[in-house]
Amino acid sequence: GAVVSQHPSRVICKSGTSVKIECRSLDFQATTMFWYRQFPKQSLMLMATSNEGSKATYEQGVEKDKFLINHASLTLSTLTVTSAHPEDSSFYICSAGTGGGQPQHFGDGTRLSIL
Amino acid sequence: AQTVTQSQPEMSVQEAETVTLSCTYDTSESDYYLFWYKQPPSRQMILVIRQEAYKQQNATENRFSVNFQKAAKSFSLKISDSQLGDAAMYFCAYRRRYGGSQGNLIFGKGTKLSVKP
Repeated sequence: GAVVSQHPSRVICKSGTSVKIECRSLDFQATTMFWYRQFPKQSLMLMATSNEGSKATYEQGVEKDKFLINHASLTLSTLTVTSAHPEDSSFYICSAGTGGGQPQHFGDGTRLSIL
Repeated sequence: AQTVTQSQPEMSVQEAETVTLSCTYDTSESDYYLFWYKQPPSRQMILVIRQEAYKQQNATENRFSVNFQKAAKSFSLKISDSQLGDAAMYFCAYRRRYGGSQGNLIFGKGTKLSVKP
């Protein structure tokens, strides 16, 4: 079945560091990739939607300059948390879709801890 | 805007018994998709079952089945013969079929299911 690889799975770093998270679709071309954030014991909240070759669409309240998204190819999207601070600590998870009625496929998520 | 409501923060079931998780949603659209996802402690998101709104027949996947009531905007998940491995957070999700938002999922707040041996 379709597989989405998300890397790294866990990041611990100092405040002020920029962190890049990769999301790759391994055996299919993902026309659209989604980035979600999940706080402990809460649901997934959509941060942004990225389409290959175009700018990402951010949800209301998500800082574009804070969370940089690049979707350079049909198999790779990256989320960069710039100048991360402790309040950015969270679980970030990506998903990839091919459109239509096909279900999205999720990566395994990245647990980000900012000290 | 579409919303998804899961009114049961936690549920518990005895192993081998049946449990039903509730989900309601609000939308003005007539065609859409509904999903149930399972998130175990590993936090992977695992697709359990999918329903297309234009199909009247309830989806089934082995021990998992749904009761889709379109007029009532209800989409409950029934787990039969519950197993210890079913213990997880379960999220109900909605996705538009057409138009904008590029098909992102809208999730409910989740139901934590515990399975007692």
